Amino acid sequence: QQPVQSPQAVILREGEDAVINCSSSKALYSVHWYRQKHGEAPIFLMILLKGGEQKGHDKISASFNEKKQQSSLYLTASQLSYSGTYFCGTVAGSRLTFGEGTQLTVNP
Amino acid sequence: KAGVTQTPRYLIKTRGQQVTLSCSPISGHRSVSWYQQTPGQGLQFLFEYFSETQRNKGNFPGRFSGRQFSNSRSEMNVSTLELGDSALYLCASSLGQANQPQHFGDGTRLSIL
Repeated sequence: QQPVQSPQAVILREGEDAVINCSSSKALYSVHWYRQKHGEAPIFLMILLKGGEQKGHDKISASFNEKKQQSSLYLTASQLSYSGTYFCGTVAGSRLTFGEGTQLTVNP
Repeated sequence: KAGVTQTPRYLIKTRGQQVTLSCSPISGHRSVSWYQQTPGQGLQFLFEYFSETQRNKGNFPGRFSGRQFSNSRSEMNVSTLELGDSALYLCASSLGQANQPQHFGDGTRLSIL
């Protein structure tokens, strides 16, 4: 079952923060996050494997609430390079199912 | 280390034809997954191959098929093409264990006239 992402789109000014949410109606054991820039391949950001786990890379971090069956991606002090579509993915066996994506635009 | 290579990058076909797309994974990766991406539809899982065996399959009609060779290279075939098959087809490779990151190729843009 496809995870649900919110919001569908967000527009920021450089330096602002954003949160992207990913939720599932099924039990979550792990969540993947990817970013895809226009015309490019999706790029792996991070995987969260345990409930409550938080991971970060530079000013992008994520949390995973197993009980609530959701994950959130936090973009702090956004940069122009953060623009793109962010996908979360949930795993069932060897199948990775992606949400519909959140389009993030960072303007100067 | 070379990344995931997909060929061709662009393809134009007409309805009723068939097409074969190729994906060469990162060296050492044994799993290859295929996705269809259309505007507004996100990434739809087609199938995943590991060590020449299909391990998982998405909800696509039988016109979509694939295979994997002993060197882990994979091909995807679509027969009797329909206008709705126009999409970006992405493949991704990984080591194959659960929860390994997937590394995507640049995709093949398929247009059906």
